[in-house]
Amino acid sequence: AAGVIQSPRHLIKEKRETATLKCYPIPRHDTVYWYQQGPGQDPQFLISFYEKMQSDKGSIPDRFSAQQFSDYHSELNMSSLELGDSALYFCASSSRQGLHEQYFGPGTRLTVT
Amino acid sequence: AQTVTQSQPEMSVQEAETVTLSCTYDTSESDYYLFWYKQPPSRQMILVIRQEAYKQQNATENRFSVNFQKAAKSFSLKISDSQLGDAAMYFCACQGGSEKLVFGKGTKLTVNP
Repeated sequence: AAGVIQSPRHLIKEKRETATLKCYPIPRHDTVYWYQQGPGQDPQFLISFYEKMQSDKGSIPDRFSAQQFSDYHSELNMSSLELGDSALYFCASSSRQGLHEQYFGPGTRLTVT
Repeated sequence: AQTVTQSQPEMSVQEAETVTLSCTYDTSESDYYLFWYKQPPSRQMILVIRQEAYKQQNATENRFSVNFQKAAKSFSLKISDSQLGDAAMYFCACQGGSEKLVFGKGTKLTVNP
């Protein structure tokens, strides 16, 4: 079965640079979630989109923005990167017609040097 | 808002034995869902089991089962016939009206041969 696809899998950036993370949800899933997992931490919710509209917002810095496109893929844009942004970024998708189950992608490991 | 507490940072079990991971939660929602996710060393987040709060019957998925005590706000995971491949970090999560997942801090499970 098709899973959530994230790209790139690994990304190394310098401080103050910009990064763009991409997420391709499971086909026919209409909702995308972004989570950030720091070293030794649990995943923290950043933002979600349903049918291309922002549906919820968590502890996402103002330096970050995201959107969902007409083909349901989503992008997380991160600017003015800081050392503390180094983390594993997960995208998850679900269907509101389904069982409220969120399926996670493999994550993008971002390292800021 | 939801909070999730996992009081066991680490647990260990002998191969083929049974182990129970604890989780308590708090939510103001009347309709919510509870999940257990497994995160092996690959860092992939894998959905293990789901429980709808309105269902009294405990969920079961092969060797994995839950003990859902709604009044006590308790949601423990039992792993039977433990296998080496079960070694991972296990996260308990709660999903309320906003649909975002709120995770506990996790329990690291070691399986001894």
